[in-house]
Amino acid sequence: SSELTQDPAVSVALGQTVRITCQGDSLRSYYASWYQQKPGQAPVLVIYGKNNRPSGIPDRFSGSSSGNTASLTITGAQAEDEADYYCNSRDSSGNHLRVFGGGTKLTVL
Amino acid sequence: QVQLQESGPGLVKPSQTLSLTCTVSGGSISSGSYYWSWIRQPAGKGLEWIGRIYTSGSTNYNPSLKSRVTISVDTSKNQFSLKLSSVTAADTAVYYCARDNYYDSSGVYLDAFDIWGQGTMVTVSS
Repeated sequence: SSELTQDPAVSVALGQTVRITCQGDSLRSYYASWYQQKPGQAPVLVIYGKNNRPSGIPDRFSGSSSGNTASLTITGAQAEDEADYYCNSRDSSGNHLRVFGGGTKLTVL
Repeated sequence: QVQLQESGPGLVKPSQTLSLTCTVSGGSISSGSYYWSWIRQPAGKGLEWIGRIYTSGSTNYNPSLKSRVTISVDTSKNQFSLKLSSVTAADTAVYYCARDNYYDSSGVYLDAFDIWGQGTMVTVSS
């Protein structure tokens, strides 16, 4: 079982804003990173740290955190944002172990 | 631009050992403060972190797999490797290697997998 919990599926209307959440005790101490995965492709890092985007990631992607919950927000969702999204952080023991959330399937309507 | 490429057998028999190698190109595996991780994904399921290695040889493993996993590094070949013993059908998955980076190029705290290989499918079957 995952120590990070995500909703299995979320949908958003084209052009609207959607928030994908990730819950876990370790998030009180460590930032989450977020990955986008499209069918048949490797995951791609979209958000890391407090709220940072790697080069090439559109600024409609943003991250935030409060308590035991990390969030990935897409402001003005596009059709190409339809994908699976995974959060990752350290496990709650803090022993440099990594854990992924179960993933959220985002559908853009 | 650093790139990662997984290689190894696509078919492994039950009870045998799965062996994969990740080749790092476009940069030295020893440069920077990077860990190098293995991650897997069964068909239709989520990502599972397997473990990681630092170029010093220091390792961390997922507790659920620790008894069966060995990750090693060969800096002379710019490669790191995964061995998973006593495999069963439950180990059938796409296996990814990834760079586990703590700081981005601007020195901002990153603590994430910033570069991934394309993945390689491994099937456990007799």
